[in-house]
Amino acid sequence: AQSVTQLDSHVSVSEGTPVLLRCNYSSSYSPSLFWYVQHPNKGLQLLLKYTSAATLVKGINGFEAEFKKSETSFHLTKPSAHMSDAAEYFCVVPTSGGSYIPTFGRGTSLIVHP
Amino acid sequence: DTEVTQTPKHLVMGMTNKKSLKCEQHMGHRAMYWYKQKAKKPPELMFVYSYEKLSINESVPSRFSPECPNSSLLNLHLHALQPEDSALYLCASSQGPVTPFGTGNTGELFFGEGSRLTVL
Repeated sequence: AQSVTQLDSHVSVSEGTPVLLRCNYSSSYSPSLFWYVQHPNKGLQLLLKYTSAATLVKGINGFEAEFKKSETSFHLTKPSAHMSDAAEYFCVVPTSGGSYIPTFGRGTSLIVHP
Repeated sequence: DTEVTQTPKHLVMGMTNKKSLKCEQHMGHRAMYWYKQKAKKPPELMFVYSYEKLSINESVPSRFSPECPNSSLLNLHLHALQPEDSALYLCASSQGPVTPFGTGNTGELFFGEGSRLTVL
């Protein structure tokens, strides 16, 4: 069965420093993978998605993620954090329990200090 | 139009009230979802409609009753709720039912802004 693990519940960075949010998945096949962002009291917005084209995926607001099949990882990065990046980030992979449904990781709260 | 619209944005109800949450999309998507989200937690799947038929019910209590009148609309009827049902309720849609990678819809979800429900 497929699953998704976000390794950090909180990540704290200073403005202008790099961001790394980690996500590992388990799957018997190469899945599609997604990162969503949720700002306080808002819905979820797609940051980027991997669907088997390039393994390095570029998203909105300067975020990138690299699909590494050998490491079963899909970590989210950004070279330089902005205060506006402070939010909750979710890694999502379709999993099967009979029907395939998008399954969320536990979420990583990104805190950005001035 | 790439929006999913949810109404109302905020709802306060008593435990004996009957109310409904509404969700609408005009992207031609054929799968629609209700999620419940508590503070600092990931969304929890409640229901999935696929081609206007209920395909997944994640053992949700019967005080929540979903309805899909047509391919663009999704309702969640609420009755006799408990205070612990207070949460953000998110509606989402996808192009079609999620299928294994490479065989169809990849599972990208389009979310509404949510309805913040408070049960007194």
